Amino acid sequence: DGGITQSPKYLFRKEGQNVTLSCEQNLNHDAMYWYRQDPGQGLRLIYYSQIVNDFQKGDIAEGYSVSREKKESFPLTVTSAQKNPTAFYLCASSIGQSYGYTFGSGTRLTVV
Amino acid sequence: GENVEQHPSTLSVQEGDSAVIKCTYSDSASNYFPWYKQELGKRPQLIIDIRSNVGEKKDQRIAVTLNKTAKHFSLHITETQPEDSAVYFCAAPSTDSWGKLQFGAGTQVVVTP
Repeated sequence: DGGITQSPKYLFRKEGQNVTLSCEQNLNHDAMYWYRQDPGQGLRLIYYSQIVNDFQKGDIAEGYSVSREKKESFPLTVTSAQKNPTAFYLCASSIGQSYGYTFGSGTRLTVV
Repeated sequence: GENVEQHPSTLSVQEGDSAVIKCTYSDSASNYFPWYKQELGKRPQLIIDIRSNVGEKKDQRIAVTLNKTAKHFSLHITETQPEDSAVYFCAAPSTDSWGKLQFGAGTQVVVTP
């Protein structure tokens, strides 16, 4: 997947359950990002991290949490506080300012 | 922060015709403008980008033009083919956070045979 791997590809969550989406990159990129995409919609930023052990909320952070303990990894937890989590989740990484993103192949989360 | 507007939201073209998507940005200090293509159910992929020190960049059938004075940049696809059907996103650097891109809302391009 071009150096950035998301897993699983499909994930089903029961009501009230927390789930964690994995994102790993071997591109040696400092910055990593999580986006949510609803059908027919654009990209909405959930969280981003510019450096290890630091991250910032994006536009729709409520009901989500992240960690950045290693440069290569930026997992996203969808908590039970997120009432409408069904969506396509995309992780991305970047070498830094004024450079493009490399996206992972995405995780499709469905509430059952 | 940076504000990116993208038009049109949908674009239907006949195979072989050209397609043009335009984006405007608000921060005159922005210096990097990428374009992404997202096929149905797939991840966005970078197809071309331009930096503010050039006015035009081409790669086979796609090109990007930049007008810094007017603060807009455009994606041009010539000799469109059915495989060009996808959603295209433009982006510009966010001025309120290092490394972050501000994306446009996307353009659904449909190429009909």
